[in-house]
Amino acid sequence: RKEVEQDPGPFNVPEGATVAFNCTYSNSASQSFFWYRQDCRKEPKLLMSVYSSGNEDGRFTAQLNRASQYISLLIRDSKLSDSATYLCVVGSNDYKLSFGAGTTVTVRA
Amino acid sequence: EPEVTQTPSHQVTQMGQEVILRCVPISNHLYFYWYRQILGQKVEFLVSFYNNEISEKSEIFDDQFSVERPDGSNFTLKIRSTKLEDSAMYFCASSSTGNTEAFFGQGTRLTVV
Repeated sequence: RKEVEQDPGPFNVPEGATVAFNCTYSNSASQSFFWYRQDCRKEPKLLMSVYSSGNEDGRFTAQLNRASQYISLLIRDSKLSDSATYLCVVGSNDYKLSFGAGTTVTVRA
Repeated sequence: EPEVTQTPSHQVTQMGQEVILRCVPISNHLYFYWYRQILGQKVEFLVSFYNNEISEKSEIFDDQFSVERPDGSNFTLKIRSTKLEDSAMYFCASSSTGNTEAFFGQGTRLTVV
């Protein structure tokens, strides 16, 4: 089983729409959770950390469900600039982050 | 804003040659990482480095690979004898503590011909 699995998409949504997607992880001892964003041929950039209580950053909301071992990301009021690949990242210990393959989101005008 | 810097941005090398990829992590960070991403594939963990030694490494990080922190600022990845399948984007990253978010450099695109 893969360490981190994501729905690859693509999610093709109109501007202003809400889009949500999940990620599952296999290691129940995982300690830290993040969403990164990656634009084509660029480096991953931290979008937000994910906390057990769930957290929100502007139009972005992340949730963590430890019991079911999944993380979600919801984007409200999508902008054209939100078009990117969203990477689910899980820290299994102090020394390693495991990446999902990414979910591609395309926002159209 | 502090950032991770990598050089060169692009390197072309012949199969069998040695390459050294260089990184300057964020200055007060203590954990350092190398990842790679083959075109069209996911980001893969190679190695982490803390307290002047390797903390963890993946199966990809075989005897052909080594890392070094030769001074207080640089963190290097050496590939001793490159293979065609080493062609990828190599990302350096650093974090202030373990188990926290890592910040990535812009990457070195390695092309082995």
